[in-house]
Formats: sequence, C-alpha cells, structure tokens
Amino acid sequence: GAGVSQSPSNKVTEKGKDVELRCDPISGHTALYWYRQSLGQGLEFLIYFQGNSAPDKSGLPSDRFSAERTGGSVSTLTIQRTQQEDSAVYLCASTLSGGGYYGYTFGSGTRLTVV
Amino acid sequence: GNSVTQMEGPVTLSEEAFLTINCTYTATGYPSLFWYVQYPGEGLQLLLKATKADDKGSNKGFEATYRKETTSFHLEKGSVQVSDSAVYFCALSGQYGQNFVFGPGTRLSVLP
Repeated sequence: GAGVSQSPSNKVTEKGKDVELRCDPISGHTALYWYRQSLGQGLEFLIYFQGNSAPDKSGLPSDRFSAERTGGSVSTLTIQRTQQEDSAVYLCASTLSGGGYYGYTFGSGTRLTVV
Repeated sequence: GNSVTQMEGPVTLSEEAFLTINCTYTATGYPSLFWYVQYPGEGLQLLLKATKADDKGSNKGFEATYRKETTSFHLEKGSVQVSDSAVYFCALSGQYGQNFVFGPGTRLSVLP
C-alpha cells in the first residue's frame, strides 16, 4: 500500500479483555516497529521485527503483550487481560532494510481505551 | 544501548523568533539521526534526517547538522510561524535499523 495502515483506528475495551491491533506496513518494507504513546508522553519502544523474526522484544512491558509478523508483512500486537494503564495510542512504523537511510514511515495509530 | 536526550519543553516563542531545540545522543557505530514532528491531533511525520557525520538535513525551513564530535543533532529554524506549533521528537536508529529510539519530545508553541 501507499502508507502504513493500522486498524482499528479506535478501540474501546473492558478491563480484562484481550485485544488485537493490526499493522500493515508499506509493501516491501522488511523492518517493522511498534511503539506506545501515552497521553502527553513520548514514544515508548515495544518491539522490532526484521522480516518475521523479532531480534528486539526488550520493550514489551509485560508477558500480557505479544506480537507476531507473518509473511514478512502484516504484524499483530496482542494485549491479553487488558488493564487501564494499557490505554494509549499504539503506533507502527516500517522501513526498508538497511537502517535509517530510507527513513521510517508511521501509521496513524490505534487509540486504545480500557474502561 | 542507544539513547537520545532532548531539551525539555514547553518552548514558547513569538512569531518570527529563532528556534533551537537541542538534541544529543549516545550510540555505537554509525547511527542515522532524525527529527519527527507531531502536529496537534495528527500522527508522526518525518521532518528531516541525516545519515552520516556532517550531513545537514533540511525541510520547511528547519535544519539540523549531524555532529559526531559533539554527538548532537540540534534543530534550528530562523523564523518560526504559528503553524510550527507542534511536538518535536529527536530520534536515532542503529546502523542496520535496530534500536530506533526517540527522545521525550519538545512541545513548541508559537504565539502571533
């Protein structure tokens, strides 16, 4: 696609429910990143994929968070047993392999609200 | 690991004032450096980038020079406009795309 697509754009869920957030990167981009941005805060790194493998999962805040990427394309971030502190905007970014030379493109994000 | 430090905001300026937002980094190897901007209610947009030492990134009147000797990438604009009001993030990525990390962001408000 022309840009990074994230869905849903908004999600309201009850505390304790599981949610899945989807990221569809730009076609051909091998590197994919997930971030979390809480209200008025900076970007918190969650996980990085190169192809289908995740060499850096260091940012996942707890074992309730997991992510996968299939076919070197779409990625899903899953949050189990959601808590109110999980409320944030979840951002996805992708780039061609090779580091920062090509720049990174962000999606519009998924705004998650846990009530 | 890699990290980015940038000046805390908020920064409030009058229109046509000179802007500097400081950014310093810690990294191994040869990172790439970025400034991203987030306008109110919008997503993150790449403002400018530099991929090697002494490179100058520029866009929309903003400039930043990759200074390896001082590990800095300060953002400057000679004459800010009200429409420049936004949050500005300094970011760094490792040589092979790993460790793409952001500073905490600096909120800029430009008054008419």
